[in-house]
Amino acid sequence: AQSVTQPDIHITVSEGASLELRCNYSYGATPYLFWYVQSPGQGLQLLLKYFSGDTLVQGIKGFEAEFKRSQSSFNLRKPSVHWSDAAEYFCAVGESGGYQKVTFGTGTKLQVIP
Amino acid sequence: DTEVTQTPKHLVMGMTNKKSLKCEQHMGHRAMYWYKQKAKKPPELMFVYSYEKLSINESVPSRFSPECPNSSLLNLHLHALQPEDSALYLCASSQDGTETQYFGPGTRLLVL
Repeated sequence: AQSVTQPDIHITVSEGASLELRCNYSYGATPYLFWYVQSPGQGLQLLLKYFSGDTLVQGIKGFEAEFKRSQSSFNLRKPSVHWSDAAEYFCAVGESGGYQKVTFGTGTKLQVIP
Repeated sequence: DTEVTQTPKHLVMGMTNKKSLKCEQHMGHRAMYWYKQKAKKPPELMFVYSYEKLSINESVPSRFSPECPNSSLLNLHLHALQPEDSALYLCASSQDGTETQYFGPGTRLLVL
């Protein structure tokens, strides 16, 4: 069965600093990988996704993620964090080959300090 | 337009009440999903509809009853809920089962 691990429950960064959120997945075949962001009490917004091709994926709001098959990782990065980036971030893996089930990690809460 | 709408935004109900949650999308997506999210937890899949047919039920109690009247609309009928069912209920849709899921803002449900 597929699974996702986000080892950092809570991360605090200063505004303007760089950010990296870690995500490790477990899946037998080539996965579909996603990063979603959720502000308090809101739905999930898709930041970026990886299905195949270039392993460095660009997303919205200046985020990018890199797929590393050898490390089973899909870490999210941003060079300069803004206060509005404070939110919960979920990494997710979907089964490839046309199935609908997406499994979410437990999330990383990002706090941004001035 | 990648918008999924959900109504109501908030709902308070007693354990003997019957209520419904509504989800709508006009993106021509043919797969729609219900998720339940408890505080500080990731979303958990409840149901998947594909081409208006129920294709996945993640062993959800029968007090939750999904309905897909047409390709744009998804309902979740609630009856005899328990306080532990209080959560944020999220709807999502995708082009088909293989594509990216787009989420609505959710309905925050409180069962008293």
